[in-house]
Amino acid sequence: SQQGEEDPQALSIQEGENATMNCSYKTSINNLQWYRQNSGRGLVHLILIRSNEREKHSGRLRVTLDTSKKSSSLLITASRAADTASYFCANAGGTSYGKLTFGQGTILTVHP
Amino acid sequence: DVKVTQSSRYLVKRTGEKVFLECVQDMDHENMFWYRQDPGLGLRLIYFSYDVKMKEKGDIPEGYSVSREKKERFSLILESASTNQTSMYLCASSLRRGPYEQYFGPGTRLTVT
Repeated sequence: SQQGEEDPQALSIQEGENATMNCSYKTSINNLQWYRQNSGRGLVHLILIRSNEREKHSGRLRVTLDTSKKSSSLLITASRAADTASYFCANAGGTSYGKLTFGQGTILTVHP
Repeated sequence: DVKVTQSSRYLVKRTGEKVFLECVQDMDHENMFWYRQDPGLGLRLIYFSYDVKMKEKGDIPEGYSVSREKKERFSLILESASTNQTSMYLCASSLRRGPYEQYFGPGTRLTVT
Protein backbone atom coordinates (compact mmCIF):
# COMPACT_ATOMS: atom_id res chain seq x y z
CA SER A 1 0.00 0.00 0.00
CA GLN A 2 1.08 3.56 -0.41
CA GLN A 3 2.11 5.11 2.83
CA GLY A 4 2.74 8.68 3.80
CA GLU A 5 6.12 9.82 4.92
CA GLU A 6 6.90 11.91 7.95
CA ASP A 7 9.83 14.22 8.11
CA PRO A 8 11.99 14.28 10.12
CA GLN A 9 12.15 10.72 11.34
CA ALA A 10 13.42 11.95 14.70
CA LEU A 11 13.40 15.35 16.37
CA SER A 12 15.10 16.35 19.62
CA ILE A 13 14.33 19.71 21.24
CA GLN A 14 14.36 21.50 24.59
CA GLU A 15 11.27 22.21 26.65
CA GLY A 16 9.63 25.43 25.60
CA GLU A 17 10.73 25.18 21.97
CA ASN A 18 8.35 24.56 19.10
CA ALA A 19 8.32 21.25 17.24
CA THR A 20 7.33 20.96 13.59
CA MET A 21 6.68 17.66 11.87
CA ASN A 22 5.84 17.24 8.22
CA CYS A 23 3.87 14.62 6.38
CA SER A 24 3.63 13.91 2.68
CA TYR A 25 1.08 11.60 1.14
CA LYS A 26 0.55 10.13 -2.27
CA THR A 27 -3.16 9.59 -2.83
CA SER A 28 -6.11 11.93 -2.68
CA ILE A 29 -7.55 12.50 0.77
CA ASN A 30 -10.88 12.99 2.41
CA ASN A 31 -9.14 14.18 5.53
CA LEU A 32 -5.76 13.92 7.19
CA GLN A 33 -5.43 12.88 10.81
CA TRP A 34 -2.61 13.13 13.31
CA TYR A 35 -2.04 10.66 16.12
CA ARG A 36 0.36 10.41 19.05
CA GLN A 37 1.82 7.21 20.45
CA ASN A 38 3.61 7.03 23.75
CA SER A 39 6.26 4.35 23.95
CA GLY A 40 4.78 0.86 23.71
CA ARG A 41 1.19 2.07 23.88
CA GLY A 42 -1.75 2.55 21.55
CA LEU A 43 -2.30 5.60 19.38
CA VAL A 44 -4.29 8.60 20.49
CA HIS A 45 -6.11 10.81 18.01
CA LEU A 46 -4.95 14.44 18.12
CA ILE A 47 -6.57 16.36 15.31
CA LEU A 48 -8.35 15.92 11.99
CA ILE A 49 -8.17 18.36 9.10
CA ARG A 50 -10.54 18.04 6.17
CA SER A 51 -9.43 18.32 2.58
CA ASN A 52 -11.17 21.70 2.19
CA GLU A 53 -9.44 23.16 5.24
CA ARG A 54 -6.03 24.80 5.21
CA GLU A 55 -5.32 25.23 8.89
CA LYS A 56 -6.68 23.97 12.18
CA HIS A 57 -5.83 24.61 15.82
CA SER A 58 -6.34 22.62 18.97
CA GLY A 59 -4.70 23.93 22.12
CA ARG A 60 -0.95 23.96 21.48
CA LEU A 61 -1.36 22.09 18.21
CA ARG A 62 -1.56 23.68 14.80
CA VAL A 63 -2.05 21.62 11.66
CA THR A 64 -1.78 22.87 8.11
CA LEU A 65 -2.75 21.13 4.91
CA ASP A 66 -1.60 21.85 1.37
CA THR A 67 -3.48 19.56 -0.99
CA SER A 68 -1.63 20.92 -4.04
CA LYS A 69 1.63 19.68 -2.55
CA LYS A 70 0.04 16.66 -0.86
CA SER A 71 1.57 17.65 2.43
CA SER A 72 0.62 18.52 5.98
CA SER A 73 2.49 19.78 8.99
CA LEU A 74 1.94 19.52 12.72
CA LEU A 75 3.29 22.26 14.95
CA ILE A 76 3.46 21.80 18.71
CA THR A 77 4.13 25.10 20.43
CA ALA A 78 5.85 25.55 23.79
CA SER A 79 6.68 21.87 24.00
CA ARG A 80 6.80 19.95 27.28
CA ALA A 81 8.63 16.82 28.32
CA ALA A 82 5.24 15.07 28.33
CA ASP A 83 5.02 15.67 24.56
CA THR A 84 7.78 13.11 24.07
CA ALA A 85 6.19 10.48 21.83
CA SER A 86 5.91 9.28 18.24
CA TYR A 87 3.63 11.25 15.97
CA PHE A 88 1.88 9.79 12.95
CA CYS A 89 -0.10 11.26 10.14
CA ALA A 90 -2.87 9.16 8.62
CA ASN A 91 -4.51 9.65 5.27
CA ALA A 92 -8.23 8.97 5.15
CA GLY A 93 -8.45 8.40 1.43
CA GLY A 94 -11.35 8.09 -0.91
CA THR A 95 -12.85 4.80 0.24
CA SER A 96 -16.12 4.68 2.13
CA TYR A 97 -14.91 2.24 4.74
CA GLY A 98 -12.77 4.56 6.77
CA LYS A 99 -9.42 2.95 6.10
CA LEU A 100 -6.46 5.00 7.22
CA THR A 101 -3.02 4.84 5.65
CA PHE A 102 -0.39 5.72 8.23
CA GLY A 103 2.99 7.27 7.76
CA GLN A 104 6.00 5.85 9.55
CA GLY A 105 6.05 8.51 12.20
CA THR A 106 8.29 11.12 13.75
CA ILE A 107 9.90 10.36 17.10
CA LEU A 108 9.86 13.54 19.17
CA THR A 109 12.04 13.86 22.26
CA VAL A 110 11.58 16.91 24.45
CA HIS A 111 14.34 17.41 27.00
CA PRO A 112 13.43 19.05 30.32
CA ASP B 1 -14.72 8.23 26.85
CA VAL B 2 -14.36 5.49 24.31
CA LYS B 3 -12.57 2.51 25.65
CA VAL B 4 -10.93 -0.13 23.53
CA THR B 5 -9.45 -3.03 25.41
CA GLN B 6 -7.26 -5.86 24.23
CA SER B 7 -7.10 -9.20 25.97
CA SER B 8 -3.35 -9.28 26.60
CA ARG B 9 -0.54 -6.73 26.75
CA TYR B 10 2.16 -9.34 26.21
CA LEU B 11 1.87 -12.79 24.70
CA VAL B 12 4.46 -15.47 23.94
CA LYS B 13 3.49 -18.34 21.67
CA ARG B 14 5.28 -21.13 19.89
CA THR B 15 5.55 -21.60 16.14
CA GLY B 16 2.54 -23.45 14.79
CA GLU B 17 0.19 -22.55 17.63
CA LYS B 18 -3.22 -21.05 16.93
CA VAL B 19 -3.38 -17.62 18.52
CA PHE B 20 -6.43 -15.54 19.38
CA LEU B 21 -6.21 -11.82 20.03
CA GLU B 22 -9.37 -10.27 21.39
CA CYS B 23 -10.51 -6.69 21.17
CA VAL B 24 -13.57 -5.13 22.80
CA GLN B 25 -14.95 -1.61 22.46
CA ASP B 26 -17.65 -0.15 24.65
CA MET B 27 -19.05 2.69 22.57
CA ASP B 28 -21.27 0.91 20.05
CA HIS B 29 -18.87 1.65 17.19
CA GLU B 30 -19.63 0.05 13.87
CA ASN B 31 -16.09 -0.09 12.48
CA MET B 32 -13.26 -2.11 13.96
CA PHE B 33 -9.72 -2.60 12.72
CA TRP B 34 -6.66 -4.73 13.33
CA TYR B 35 -3.17 -3.37 12.60
CA ARG B 36 0.29 -4.61 13.15
CA GLN B 37 3.15 -2.25 13.89
CA ASP B 38 6.75 -3.03 13.10
CA PRO B 39 9.87 -0.83 13.32
CA GLY B 40 10.52 0.88 10.02
CA LEU B 41 7.23 -0.28 8.53
CA GLY B 42 4.74 1.76 10.52
CA LEU B 43 1.17 0.58 11.01
CA ARG B 44 -0.23 -1.81 8.44
CA LEU B 45 -3.87 -2.79 8.23
CA ILE B 46 -4.56 -6.51 8.50
CA TYR B 47 -8.37 -6.71 8.48
CA PHE B 48 -11.30 -4.52 9.28
CA SER B 49 -15.00 -4.95 9.86
CA TYR B 50 -17.81 -2.45 9.37
CA ASP B 51 -20.60 -4.61 10.75
CA VAL B 52 -21.26 -7.81 12.65
CA LYS B 53 -20.19 -10.84 10.63
CA MET B 54 -18.72 -8.57 7.96
CA LYS B 55 -15.00 -8.45 7.27
CA GLU B 56 -12.74 -6.91 4.70
CA LYS B 57 -9.11 -7.63 3.95
CA GLY B 58 -6.62 -4.92 4.64
CA ASP B 59 -3.16 -4.63 3.18
CA ILE B 60 -1.54 -7.69 4.77
CA PRO B 61 -4.21 -10.34 5.50
CA GLU B 62 -2.09 -13.40 4.71
CA GLY B 63 -1.73 -15.72 7.67
CA TYR B 64 -4.57 -14.08 9.59
CA SER B 65 -8.30 -14.40 9.90
CA VAL B 66 -10.87 -12.47 11.93
CA SER B 67 -14.19 -12.99 13.60
CA ARG B 68 -16.88 -10.53 14.54
CA GLU B 69 -19.84 -12.29 16.09
CA LYS B 70 -20.89 -9.34 18.25
CA LYS B 71 -20.70 -5.65 17.50
CA GLU B 72 -18.39 -4.87 20.39
CA ARG B 73 -15.88 -7.66 19.85
CA PHE B 74 -13.40 -8.20 17.04
CA SER B 75 -10.99 -11.11 17.18
CA LEU B 76 -7.79 -11.63 15.25
CA ILE B 77 -6.73 -15.21 14.67
CA LEU B 78 -3.31 -16.45 13.69
CA GLU B 79 -4.10 -19.88 12.30
CA SER B 80 -0.55 -21.19 12.64
CA ALA B 81 1.77 -18.69 14.24
CA SER B 82 5.13 -18.07 12.63
CA THR B 83 8.14 -16.11 13.82
CA ASN B 84 7.53 -13.40 11.21
CA GLN B 85 4.26 -12.63 12.99
CA THR B 86 6.16 -11.41 16.02
CA SER B 87 4.91 -7.85 16.26
CA MET B 88 2.82 -5.27 18.11
CA TYR B 89 -0.86 -5.75 17.30
CA LEU B 90 -3.20 -2.80 17.64
CA CYS B 91 -6.96 -2.85 17.57
CA ALA B 92 -9.00 0.26 16.78
CA SER B 93 -12.61 1.27 16.35
CA SER B 94 -14.46 4.16 14.77
CA LEU B 95 -18.03 5.34 14.99
CA ARG B 96 -19.25 4.15 11.62
CA ARG B 97 -18.20 3.67 8.03
CA GLY B 98 -16.39 6.71 6.75
CA PRO B 99 -13.19 8.69 7.37
CA TYR B 100 -13.68 9.16 11.11
CA GLU B 101 -11.12 9.25 13.85
CA GLN B 102 -10.09 5.91 15.22
CA TYR B 103 -9.76 4.93 18.86
CA PHE B 104 -6.99 2.51 19.66
CA GLY B 105 -6.47 -0.13 22.28
CA PRO B 106 -3.21 -0.37 24.24
CA GLY B 107 -1.75 -3.02 21.95
CA THR B 108 -0.62 -6.62 22.33
CA ARG B 109 3.06 -7.37 21.93
CA LEU B 110 3.18 -10.88 20.50
CA THR B 111 6.37 -12.91 20.40
CA VAL B 112 6.41 -16.15 18.44
CA THR B 113 9.34 -18.42 19.28
